[in-house]
Amino acid sequence: DAGITQSPRHKVTETGTPVTLRCHQTENHRYMYWYRQDPGHGLRLIHYSYGVKDTDKGEVSDGYSVSRSKTEDFLLTLESATSSQTSVYFCAIGGGRDTQYFGPGTRLTVL
Amino acid sequence: AQSVTQPDIHITVSEGASLELRCNYSYGATPYLFWYVQSPGQGLQLLLKYFSGDTLVQGIKGFEAEFKRSQSSFNLRKPSVHWSDAAEYFCAVARYSGGGADGLTFGKGTHLIIQP
Repeated sequence: DAGITQSPRHKVTETGTPVTLRCHQTENHRYMYWYRQDPGHGLRLIHYSYGVKDTDKGEVSDGYSVSRSKTEDFLLTLESATSSQTSVYFCAIGGGRDTQYFGPGTRLTVL
Repeated sequence: AQSVTQPDIHITVSEGASLELRCNYSYGATPYLFWYVQSPGQGLQLLLKYFSGDTLVQGIKGFEAEFKRSQSSFNLRKPSVHWSDAAEYFCAVARYSGGGADGLTFGKGTHLIIQP
C-alpha cells in the first residue's frame, strides 16, 4: 500500500466550527489531492497541490481551503463547517502518468 | 469539460457469470482512463489504467477493459465473477486541463451485487 495516512479517521463536529483534516504521505510525491465522496455523486475533487505552497481549486472548492507547507503534508480546512460538508474525505497522491493512490478516508459528520 | 458516465447504478450478477460494467467519457484529447474498486468501508484500489497503446488493458483480480475511441467507452469486463467481487466500481478520467496532474473526474459508480 502507498504510504498515505489520514487523520482523524472519524470526526463529529457542530455547524460553524472550524475543522482541519490532515493527509500525510511517505512517498515524497509531488502531487496531492483532496476528494469528497457522497452517495450518488462518486468522488469529486476539492483541491489539489502540485508542490509545496502550490495549490489549486477543483470542482467543489467552495467552503474549503488547503495548505501545503511540507512535501509530506496536505491539510484541508473547513473554516466554518456546514451540514452539507458531511461526507467522506479522501486524500490521494500521484497523478500525471503515475497512478493515483488513495488514503483510507476520513468520515466527517457535521451536526 | 471532461465527464464520465456510468449508466448502471446497480448491477446484479450470478457468481460464475461474466460481467461487463459500462463507462463512457467525454474528453477532447486522448484520455487517461482508470477503473477503481471500493469495498464497503474501504478506500479505493486501482484495478487498471489506460494511457496509450494497446486498447485492451489487463488489470488485477482478473479484470480487463477495452478502450474504444469511436464509442468514447472504456468498459470493464471479467469472464467469471466471484462473491468477493461485490463492491462499488468507479471509472475515472484524468483532468489534465492545465497540463500536469490536476486530478481525476469520476463517474458516479456502479454497485455490483453477486448472487449465489
